[in-house]
Amino acid sequence: SQQGEEDPQALSIQEGENATMNCSYKTSINNLQWYRQNSGRGLVHLILIRSNEREKHSGRLRVTLDTSKKSSSLLITASRAADTASYFCATEETSGSRLTFGEGTQLTVNP
Amino acid sequence: NAGVMQNPRHLVRRRGQEARLRCSPMKGHSHVYWYRQLPEEGLKFMVYLQKENIIDESGMPKERFSAEFPKEGPSILRIQQVVRGDSAAYFCASSPRQTWETQYFGPGTRLLVL
Repeated sequence: SQQGEEDPQALSIQEGENATMNCSYKTSINNLQWYRQNSGRGLVHLILIRSNEREKHSGRLRVTLDTSKKSSSLLITASRAADTASYFCATEETSGSRLTFGEGTQLTVNP
Repeated sequence: NAGVMQNPRHLVRRRGQEARLRCSPMKGHSHVYWYRQLPEEGLKFMVYLQKENIIDESGMPKERFSAEFPKEGPSILRIQQVVRGDSAAYFCASSPRQTWETQYFGPGTRLLVL
């Protein structure tokens, strides 16, 4: 499997529900980032969590990082139809040579 | 303050032709990164450039692909003798300094090879 794998691949929920996406990685990292990509558009940076942090909040977003399990989760609370997009995690490895993206989770929020 | 600009947004080429993709970074940014996204996949790093220098091209195919970021003008990703497998979305990102923490992405160029 690859560095930065998201789970599930696709998620469909109703507006108002919470959405949880998971990301696993393999190597040591400096930080982990979450991005959103609307269909046919570029990526938008959502949140960054450093390797020495365990949890971070930004608005309706909550990110956790467990370096012992090499995993992260992104929680979107009180989802809206406008949250419909693909969500990618990306890791900056300690080698610092590049940003490695996962395959993404396609989130659909039904009104 | 305009964001990262890419053009064209859509490009159609026949097999064997050349594709030239342009990226204008945000104002004040001198670092450019190119990524490729195949359908239903995440982004894959290709190359990192500063003005007039290629810093890291370890993600770029050895043949047919080249990139430059001249002193004046946009960064160019050039694909020679395109094949169907080159069909993808190509994104560039820029940053004001060397960092993997805050990169600003352009809207992408979608290349279709017939």
